[in-house]
Amino acid sequence: ETGVTQSPTHLIKTRGQQVTLRCSSQSGHNTVSWYQQALGQGPQFIFQYYREEENGRGNFPPRFSGLQFPNYSSELNVNALELDDSALYLCASSLGPGEETQYFGPGTRLLVL
Amino acid sequence: KNQVEQSPQSLIILEGKNCTLQCNYTVSPFSNLRWYKQDTGRGPVSLTIMTFSENTKSNGRYTATLDADTKQSSLHITASQLSDSASYICVVRNSGGSNYKLTFGKGTLLTVNP
Repeated sequence: ETGVTQSPTHLIKTRGQQVTLRCSSQSGHNTVSWYQQALGQGPQFIFQYYREEENGRGNFPPRFSGLQFPNYSSELNVNALELDDSALYLCASSLGPGEETQYFGPGTRLLVL
Repeated sequence: KNQVEQSPQSLIILEGKNCTLQCNYTVSPFSNLRWYKQDTGRGPVSLTIMTFSENTKSNGRYTATLDADTKQSSLHITASQLSDSASYICVVRNSGGSNYKLTFGKGTLLTVNP
């Protein structure tokens, strides 16, 4: 186990709804990155948070937004859900934005109907 | 465009056999290459990390090789076990220092049968 936790483990939503996913980083880590992994694909970078500020963003629309709290835990919010948003959402924490090693959580499986 | 291609897409072997997974990349400038193991429905776990100057690195029954000239890497699994059944993902990092400069492959799905 990496010490990174995510909640919920599974979630079912319908198109147009909004969802919030949560991640608790490993102790001592101030950086959290979020990834979307569609079935049979590798993870795709969504964005990274470092000390409560967004520190880089992948090719995802603005309806994907995030937040990092003073304790370095993080949330991923997705508005106006689409069917293609169905995926495993992974968060990974690290000691810093330039740190080589990321530790992944178990993921949240989101199904959009 | 930075890309990481893995082959084969999937592989089925018998318990006890060896196998080799391939990773070709076009990421530049290169910083390092990491192999992850991802059990179904779980987050990836790092197996090995290799920098430009390293040709081979072992972690138990896993041995990774890197040829920076041809931009190829392989992951060799020796004496496979049922618990090796997972997806193996190759990830290449650009030099530059920010986590968002990682390029992930799609993974090779390995199934080890008894």
